[in-house]
Amino acid sequence: DADVTQTPRNRITKTGKRIMLECSQTKGHDRMYWYRQDPGLGLRLIYYSFDVKDINKGEISDGYSVSRQAQAKFSLSLESAIPNQTALYFCATSGGSGGVRETQYFGPGTRLLVL
Amino acid sequence: AQSVTQPDIHITVSEGASLELRCNYSYGATPYLFWYVQSPGQGLQLLLKYFSGDTLVQGIKGFEAEFKRSQSSFNLRKPSVHWSDAAEYFCAVGPLGANDYKLSFGAGTTVTVRA
Repeated sequence: DADVTQTPRNRITKTGKRIMLECSQTKGHDRMYWYRQDPGLGLRLIYYSFDVKDINKGEISDGYSVSRQAQAKFSLSLESAIPNQTALYFCATSGGSGGVRETQYFGPGTRLLVL
Repeated sequence: AQSVTQPDIHITVSEGASLELRCNYSYGATPYLFWYVQSPGQGLQLLLKYFSGDTLVQGIKGFEAEFKRSQSSFNLRKPSVHWSDAAEYFCAVGPLGANDYKLSFGAGTTVTVRA
């Protein structure tokens, strides 16, 4: 089984709808991240969580919210989806005591289309 | 601000030929540098990373990268490309702040391998 899983893998929604993307990990890592990938822009950090009680905004958090329900679960919500949130979303985890040296492990991604 | 530039959006290489992907960074201190690969339909996987020491770093799948401080570069190389190397490659730099876990990713280089 994959260490980092994301559900759903694909989602089509309409403008104004609320949706949630879920991420689960079995690696026992404390740190979890949500990224957005757009063609030509690479990955941009939306939110990150150092542990269950510590959640921080990334560079593009507007229009998004997150919830860290447990060490293993980190959800991303779009309260009112808009078309420019159409993108590929990745969850990642890291652990250990290496700070930024920690390898980030990525899920397979969720492809979101907002009509 | 820290940033990463991957000058080549797309590279086509023949199977068996050598490959070099360029990465340039802008950073105020000694950077931590990473190369990740994203195979079609997959999440990102770490190929290699550089923190300090020997400037030539060996990674998985036969890849290596060389850190050149004078050129602010961290180019990825492979002597002989296999068809399975067709993927998108991302260079990343961190940390983005003190006691930080965040990375800044480049826009990516897509590699096509022709028979």
